[in-house]
Amino acid sequence: DAGVIQSPRHEVTEMGQEVTLRCKPISGHDYLFWYRQTMMRGLELLIYFNNNVPIDDSGMPEDRFSAKMPNASFSTLKIQPSEPRDSAVYFCASRADNLAGRGTDTQYFGPGTRLTVL
Amino acid sequence: TQLLEQSPQFLSIQEGENLTVYCNSSSVFSSLQWYRQEPGEGPVLLVTVVTGGEVKKLKRLTFQFGDARKDSSLHITAAQTGDTGLYLCAGDWAGNNRKLIWGLGTSLAVNP
Repeated sequence: DAGVIQSPRHEVTEMGQEVTLRCKPISGHDYLFWYRQTMMRGLELLIYFNNNVPIDDSGMPEDRFSAKMPNASFSTLKIQPSEPRDSAVYFCASRADNLAGRGTDTQYFGPGTRLTVL
Repeated sequence: TQLLEQSPQFLSIQEGENLTVYCNSSSVFSSLQWYRQEPGEGPVLLVTVVTGGEVKKLKRLTFQFGDARKDSSLHITAAQTGDTGLYLCAGDWAGNNRKLIWGLGTSLAVNP
């Protein structure tokens, strides 16, 4: 398996532009997570999906951020309009369902997208 | 408020030295995971600890979960340059809708 795939790896854009980040989870995984990582705030969960359905989007900073998962093999995170404070590394992660109901399963992370908003 | 406090934040040591990093909380966790993240990559799971007092070993790395399941430590024996990276702990907290709570990490540099 190729692991979690993210694109692009790097994105540089100007303030006000729309940015779309893409993620392909590991085949067969039921959960998909979008994270943002900065030096100051560390790794923050933005939103997660279970079986393509958004379960918790309480970490999404504001209405400028939106995420979709149209099918089990693809998800997008969109920022419109982008602002300099959105500059960060954005990670997508996936994991299989833990039927025991405990969070002991491994989350597999993609390599991340480094976003710079000028 | 950071529910998981990691210390130290930064650590720079020479190859061959031993070190311990900590992950502390006032909350009880069902389980706790340790990840290592190398520059330009995503975090990779090292271990999951579930039972209070549990000790797990992964080659030169020893992980311990506190008896009360509120804290954990990672001890590295005879550090190597390949151990360099960001070490993150993440807790599974029943009150958090099964979302992991992440510490800010300990950035470890092992110098040759």
